[in-house]
Amino acid sequence: DAGVIQSPRHEVTEMGQEVTLRCKPISGHNSLFWYRQTMMRGLELLIYFNNNVPIDDSGMPEDRFSAKMPNASFSTLKIQPSEPRDSAVYFCASSRTGRETQYFGPGTRLLVL
Amino acid sequence: KNQVEQSPQSLIILEGKNCTLQCNYTVSPFSNLRWYKQDTGRGPVSLTIMTFSENTKSNGRYTATLDADTKQSSLHITASQLSDSASYICVGDYGGSQGNLIFGKGTKLSVKP
Repeated sequence: DAGVIQSPRHEVTEMGQEVTLRCKPISGHNSLFWYRQTMMRGLELLIYFNNNVPIDDSGMPEDRFSAKMPNASFSTLKIQPSEPRDSAVYFCASSRTGRETQYFGPGTRLLVL
Repeated sequence: KNQVEQSPQSLIILEGKNCTLQCNYTVSPFSNLRWYKQDTGRGPVSLTIMTFSENTKSNGRYTATLDADTKQSSLHITASQLSDSASYICVGDYGGSQGNLIFGKGTKLSVKP
């Protein structure tokens, strides 16, 4: 299996622009998680889906952030409009079921100028 | 308040030496405690998951311990290798919903030849 796939790996954009991050979970996994990692705050859960349904989005920082999972093999995290403080590494992770091990993707390194 | 604190923040050791990383957690209700290894520029990789009833779990040269009474966990690395250079993240799972994970800020380990 190819593992969790994220794209792009790096994104540089200007403040105010829309940013879309993409994730393909491991086939057969029914839970998907979006995380943000910064030096100051470490890893933070933004939102997670179970069977394509958002279960808890309480970690989403504000309305500028939105996430979708239209099917079991694809999810997006969108930031609109982006701000410099959104600069971070964004990880997608998936797990097979229940509370099993989460497998992380390589991350998207986002820089908002 | 649920929290996970790790020490030391960073550690430098010589190749072949052993080391122990510490994690103090306040997680309620407690479900399990996890250790992840994160190489620079990559996503975290799970090392161990321990439930309340487990006080030791090994994964190769990595051995995690859990003391539920003192709410402490440690990760012991035996005969360190250069490839062990990474950040090690302790994660508390406070049960219920799948998204109830709280991450420590990690210990950055450098193994020198």
